[in-house]
Amino acid sequence: ELKVEQNPLFLSMQEGKNYTIYCNYSTTSDRLYWYRQDPGKSLESLFVLLSNGAVKQEGRLMASLDTKARLSTLHITAAVHDLSATYFCAALTSGTYKYIFGTGTRLKVLA
Amino acid sequence: DTEVTQTPKHLVMGMTNKKSLKCEQHMGHRAMYWYKQKAKKPPELMFVYSYEKLSINESVPSRFSPECPNSSLLNLHLHALQPEDSALYLCASSQDSSGIGTQYFGPGTRLLVL
Repeated sequence: ELKVEQNPLFLSMQEGKNYTIYCNYSTTSDRLYWYRQDPGKSLESLFVLLSNGAVKQEGRLMASLDTKARLSTLHITAAVHDLSATYFCAALTSGTYKYIFGTGTRLKVLA
Repeated sequence: DTEVTQTPKHLVMGMTNKKSLKCEQHMGHRAMYWYKQKAKKPPELMFVYSYEKLSINESVPSRFSPECPNSSLLNLHLHALQPEDSALYLCASSQDSSGIGTQYFGPGTRLLVL
């Protein structure tokens, strides 16, 4: 059974600091996704990671995937207040088409 | 245009009512999805339509009935819902259901069942 865990669940950080959110999944996964959700809003797709060693960057966010360790990371560089949101990872196993979201990480960037 | 639209934005219904949620996209995407999200929880996949055919049903109760009348439109028919079905219902679309492409989400319908 595919399980996806994120940590930390909550993250409060100062502007200008760096931090990493971790996403572990329990079985072989074909794809790994990162989403952002602002309070009361819908989801915004951030990254789609398709293979081992994949790294994608957009602005202050960088995501990577290590399929051997079953681990994806979302690294935040020099955080700014606008990055405050909940971040979800999600894993897809195409064999049985299971698409499971992680628990989410609520990020608050303090000015 | 990368927009997915959903109507209505809010819906309040009684347990004996029948209502429908509507989702539309004009990006030429061939996969469309329904998700349910309870407050402070991650989204849960309910249904996947691929090329207008239901390809995934995640053991959703029959009081939820999806329909894909054409490649741009996805409906979710609701009947005899329970208060625990109150949630944010999100629609999404992607190029296809292979998982390679980005999913684009609509703004959601916030449903309250009394």
